[in-house]
Amino acid sequence: DGGITQSPKYLFRKEGQNVTLSCEQNLNHDAMYWYRQDPGQGLRLIYYSQIVNDFQKGDIAEGYSVSREKKESFPLTVTSAQKNPTAFYLCASSMRGLTGDNQPQHFGDGTRLSIL
Amino acid sequence: QKEVEQNSGPLSVPEGAIASLNCTYSDRGSQSFFWYRQYSGKSPELIMSIYSNGDKEDGRFTAQLNKASQYVSLLIRDSQPSDSATYLCAAPLRGKLIFGQGTELSVKP
Repeated sequence: DGGITQSPKYLFRKEGQNVTLSCEQNLNHDAMYWYRQDPGQGLRLIYYSQIVNDFQKGDIAEGYSVSREKKESFPLTVTSAQKNPTAFYLCASSMRGLTGDNQPQHFGDGTRLSIL
Repeated sequence: QKEVEQNSGPLSVPEGAIASLNCTYSDRGSQSFFWYRQYSGKSPELIMSIYSNGDKEDGRFTAQLNKASQYVSLLIRDSQPSDSATYLCAAPLRGKLIFGQGTELSVKP
């Protein structure tokens, strides 16, 4: 089955700890994205990548880092610098359209991160 | 002005009624729009894409795009309790997808 796999579903972070959220897609999509969603709030873009070995900061990149070494993988690290990491993290991917516009994004099932 | 704006709701409709969800956008260059449905505690799911002026129908869902007014809407006919969710509209812009804040819909039996 083609899709986007995020793991783990639930993650707990201790103070001062870095944690890494995994996102893998087998849709052959070019672009991948990370969002954060707080309860009752909309989606906020953390980082995105249009192509392997390149990525851009979104609206709330501070305290997060990413890498894009393979087309199918876009892991997100929540560093200890992110003081309020408790949230629902969503990974998405999309094709690039012929005109350069992005096609619709498709989402993984998300990872819930909590502070211990 | 936000690039994509939605009424935050909540919007409450009785079962069987038509639910109307609205979205405005600021960039006249936007060429496509997407509607997502997000159930509580779940990830967003794409339910409609619309690329040209006019209406697009898919089952009980109709998306309407008016580029002159920079307005896109989603109509849900014969609303069911299972339609209760938050609906997000989104437009691609500068290599990203800009999401509205979402409208919470509640369909009462």
